[in-house]
Amino acid sequence: ILNVEQSPQSLHVQEGDSTNFTCSFPSSNFYALHWYRWETAKSPEALFVMTLNGDEKKKGRISATLNTKEGYSYLYIKGSQPEDSATYLCAPTTDSWGKLQFGAGTQVVVTP
Amino acid sequence: GAGVSQSPSNKVTEKGKDVELRCDPISGHTALYWYRQSLGQGLEFLIYFQGNSAPDKSGLPSDRFSAERTGGSVSTLTIQRTQQEDSAVYLCASSLEAGANEQYFGPGTRLTVT
Repeated sequence: ILNVEQSPQSLHVQEGDSTNFTCSFPSSNFYALHWYRWETAKSPEALFVMTLNGDEKKKGRISATLNTKEGYSYLYIKGSQPEDSATYLCAPTTDSWGKLQFGAGTQVVVTP
Repeated sequence: GAGVSQSPSNKVTEKGKDVELRCDPISGHTALYWYRQSLGQGLEFLIYFQGNSAPDKSGLPSDRFSAERTGGSVSTLTIQRTQQEDSAVYLCASSLEAGANEQYFGPGTRLTVT
């Protein structure tokens, strides 16, 4: 079992503000890093899959960076909107089978 | 197109009974995964299928849990002699191939053992 840490556990953001949060994981045996968004009463939705050190991915107002040497990834939300309210999960994998090992998540609440 | 579907959406069962949870992955997806989230816990991996084979069963918590996949498609997770600690949301996900590919999750089955 991997030690995957996400911080902060939760955060409250005003609409229009930008925010970011962290996922840290063991740098050894790294294969890929997944980010998911999980809204209440819905299924987890894939945001990014990142494999290379220095990778940067972007989807709309959300972007992510990856540092495999030191074992961390940042996820950024620019100009937060209420629909961004969700729990954001990171999950590294250590082999080609794709077994996701999830962190506890960062719960984001965006208030109008 | 159709996403991953799971049935039932909710299941309440008495302690000691057996239950079967079903997952229909996206057509053509060769990799299938089961995860669960117990109350107050994070998502945890249970089992991975590649085609009909399960090369990684390392997350199954006890021998009361078993799973199969047939025709490279539908998968069934069976829990025998259910216990209260089995209460959780069971999620299935599929991926076109294993590896560094997105996994598409179903809506889950909420299992409550009374």
